[in-house]
Amino acid sequence: AQSVTQPDIHITVSEGASLELRCNYSYGATPYLFWYVQSPGQGLQLLLKYFSGDTLVQGIKGFEAEFKRSQSSFNLRKPSVHWSDAAEYFCTDGLTFGKGTHLIIQP
Amino acid sequence: AAGVIQSPRHLIKEKRETATLKCYPIPRHDTVYWYQQGPGQDPQFLISFYEKMQSDKGSIPDRFSAQQFSDYHSELNMSSLELGDSALYFCASSLKETQYFGPGTRLLVL
Repeated sequence: AQSVTQPDIHITVSEGASLELRCNYSYGATPYLFWYVQSPGQGLQLLLKYFSGDTLVQGIKGFEAEFKRSQSSFNLRKPSVHWSDAAEYFCTDGLTFGKGTHLIIQP
Repeated sequence: AAGVIQSPRHLIKEKRETATLKCYPIPRHDTVYWYQQGPGQDPQFLISFYEKMQSDKGSIPDRFSAQQFSDYHSELNMSSLELGDSALYFCASSLKETQYFGPGTRLLVL
């Protein structure tokens, strides 16, 4: 069965520091993979997506993610986080969501 | 740009009542998805429709049903509501693979 795993339930980083949120997938073929962000009580906003081709994808708000087949990973990165990045982040293959990573930004 | 519209945004029902949630996809999107997100949980896929036909089924309870109409809007019908049905219900629409989510309907069952 397909699955998407986000190993980190909570991540705390200082404002201005770099960020990496982990996502692992279990899929036979090349999956479609997405990262969404959700603020409290809000809907899910698409950050970026990977279908095929270039394994480094750029998204909105300065986020990027790299698809690594050898590691079955699609980690989300940002070089310098802002306080407004504090939210819940979900990795998904389009139907199955990871459990989410709660990002906390320290001043 | 037009987004996915969901109504109502908030709904309060009592146990054993019924509820109908509506979703209006982005224009020209042909696929609609329904998700249920409990407090502090990840979204759980319920059901999807492509061109008005059910295309995939997830963990939708038998008490729930859904359909997509000729104008592509979709309705999720929930009967015999239980306390555990209290959640945020999201609708998403897509033209190809990328889903765009609506703001959600927050259902509270008392």
